[in-house]
Amino acid sequence: DAGVTQSPTHLIKTRGQQVTLRCSPKSGHDTVSWYQQALGQGPQFIFQYYEEEERQRGNFPDRFSGHQFPNYSSELNVNALLLGDSALYLCASSTPGGETQYFGPGTRLLVL
Amino acid sequence: GQQLNQSPQSMFIQEGEDVSMNCTSSSIFNTWLWYKQDPGEGPVLLIALYKAGELTSNGRLTAQFGITRKDSFLNISASIPSDVGIYFCAGQATSGTYKYIFGTGTRLKVLA
Repeated sequence: DAGVTQSPTHLIKTRGQQVTLRCSPKSGHDTVSWYQQALGQGPQFIFQYYEEEERQRGNFPDRFSGHQFPNYSSELNVNALLLGDSALYLCASSTPGGETQYFGPGTRLLVL
Repeated sequence: GQQLNQSPQSMFIQEGEDVSMNCTSSSIFNTWLWYKQDPGEGPVLLIALYKAGELTSNGRLTAQFGITRKDSFLNISASIPSDVGIYFCAGQATSGTYKYIFGTGTRLKVLA
């Protein structure tokens, strides 16, 4: 039973570029949430996708967007990258009720 | 971003000692989750709590959902070196929200 998987594991970009991160949920899960974790901080909620739509959004600018595919996998896109976007990006999957979230290993993004 | 108050911030303990940490919120929560995160990895779910007053164990770990629904506690008994890591609480507020708010983390270091 595969857990949550994310790709790539590491990424280096320069300011102003765009990035796409990918996530496959745990088997049996259809809801995907994305979090940003800055160094030394707890994860911060970006948004959640369910039934291919953004169901809830945290306090992040429109530069952060996402998508969910019919197979429940998801992408996180960040445009016009800033130095402050450097962080660990975590994907978490859950069942529709969403009470229990399981995290993937994360994608470490470095913006230079 | 919004984070829950988690204490202590860090702690050094001797192997074999018991550990207690807690998490408090100004808001009422429906669900509390406790995670452990190792450096460069995603958080791993330890215990999930769904009802006020609930006490749940997972091996040497025991967590409680506070009766006021504004706090939660995690205890680790007979600590071992592999308990080293950062422990996060996460709470999901009542009705109409799917996001989890995370604590600031408790960094645990075990002295052999």
